Amino acid sequence: EVQLVESGGGLVKPGGSLRLSCAASGYAFSSYGINWVRQAPGKGLEWVSFISTSSRYIFYADSVKGRFTVSRDNAKNSLYLQMNSLRAEDTALYYCAREYDSGGYTIWGQGTMVTVSS
Amino acid sequence: SYELTQPPSVSVSPGQTARITCSGDALPKQYAYWYQQKPGQAPVVVISKDSERPSGIPERFSGSSSGTTVALTISGVQAEDEADYFCQSTDSSGVWVFGGGTKLTVL
Repeated sequence: EVQLVESGGGLVKPGGSLRLSCAASGYAFSSYGINWVRQAPGKGLEWVSFISTSSRYIFYADSVKGRFTVSRDNAKNSLYLQMNSLRAEDTALYYCAREYDSGGYTIWGQGTMVTVSS
Repeated sequence: SYELTQPPSVSVSPGQTARITCSGDALPKQYAYWYQQKPGQAPVVVISKDSERPSGIPERFSGSSSGTTVALTISGVQAEDEADYFCQSTDSSGVWVFGGGTKLTVL
């Protein structure tokens, strides 16, 4: 089955750190770039970060630049998001989402919840 | 930064046609995608590459593009279509950009 499964979310205090993981299965993980997208409670979708197949190209939203670091391990079919200096406004459901293939198809996980609160 | 603009809400009666628009300067050059999101669920693509319907998506969903505006049309709206809809495209760097979302209410 083609799927992405996020993990690592939880409750963290402001200024703290958290590492999210996204495990891929059912497709050639190393052949596709992949994104992190988040959704604050009751809000819309916000793109967070992108990493290309070989990690050569990495992009971040301005709201997380300098605090978040994306990485991937193609041997383990896994994507990571290291989140440091967390703020209350980082509270959200974090999704990993594969880039589109030539047919216009993508894959999204079910998300992992991050809550930043004292 | 690049923005996509959607109406916050659209309301229609069952059986009528709902049209949700999304405007952005780069839309003539970049594909748009439409996502449907129901409460507690991950977003699902209902229209890909401006106007293509993925397998499994009902025929009542269609997409169109004209200049800097793309549109999602749902013909013969059903109660189950009540959801949030997001358009998504890319900026000049190729990174994803989302519209603010439109809440479709079926009266």
